[in-house]
Amino acid sequence: DAGVTQSPTHLIKTRGQHVTLRCSPISGHKSVSWYQQVLGQGPQFIFQYYEKEERGRGNFPDRFSARQFPNYSSELNVNALLLGDSALYLCASSRTGFNTEAFFGQGTRLTVV
Amino acid sequence: AQSVTQLDSQVPVFEEAPVELRCNYSSSVSVYLFWYVQYPNQGLQLLLKYLSGSTLVESINGFEAEFNKSQTSFHLRKPSVHISDTAEYFCAVSGAGGTSYGKLTFGQGTILTVHP
Repeated sequence: DAGVTQSPTHLIKTRGQHVTLRCSPISGHKSVSWYQQVLGQGPQFIFQYYEKEERGRGNFPDRFSARQFPNYSSELNVNALLLGDSALYLCASSRTGFNTEAFFGQGTRLTVV
Repeated sequence: AQSVTQLDSQVPVFEEAPVELRCNYSSSVSVYLFWYVQYPNQGLQLLLKYLSGSTLVESINGFEAEFNKSQTSFHLRKPSVHISDTAEYFCAVSGAGGTSYGKLTFGQGTILTVHP
């Protein structure tokens, strides 16, 4: 079975641009969460979606948005990119909304220049 | 709200020596506890988890962790490490209900380096 897949794997953007990151959860998983991992730190929670509804949001500005599609895949959008948005963006899927076991993708490395 | 403190940012050890990676948490609600491992340029892999029941949990590759509610700790141990255990380890907590629904809160990570 395929694990959590994220695309693209690497991305370079210029300050002020917009970026869309994509995530496909494990088959049968209905929850997707997004995390930002800045170099040298632990992942920070951005969003959780379950059954296409936002269930939780971390302490991130409104420039960050996300959505979940009927097939449970998800997109994370970031507008007006800042240098500080450079990070590894991780997607995690779980069967239910409770994180009794979350499986992570390999991440998208975003570099803002 | 929850928080996690990993007490050591780096732990160097020699191969076949025992190791303990320390993790303390705080939470106002019941919690689930996790250890994840991250190899360079990769995502996170679940190492072990405590949801309920026995306070001692084990992984398939020899790691174990013990949930200590009174000390709010979930330290990770291995009696004999291998070179291949070199990685960064993250302790994480999730609320078992309420406003923490689905959110994992991670510690800052501990880099374990195993020397030959």
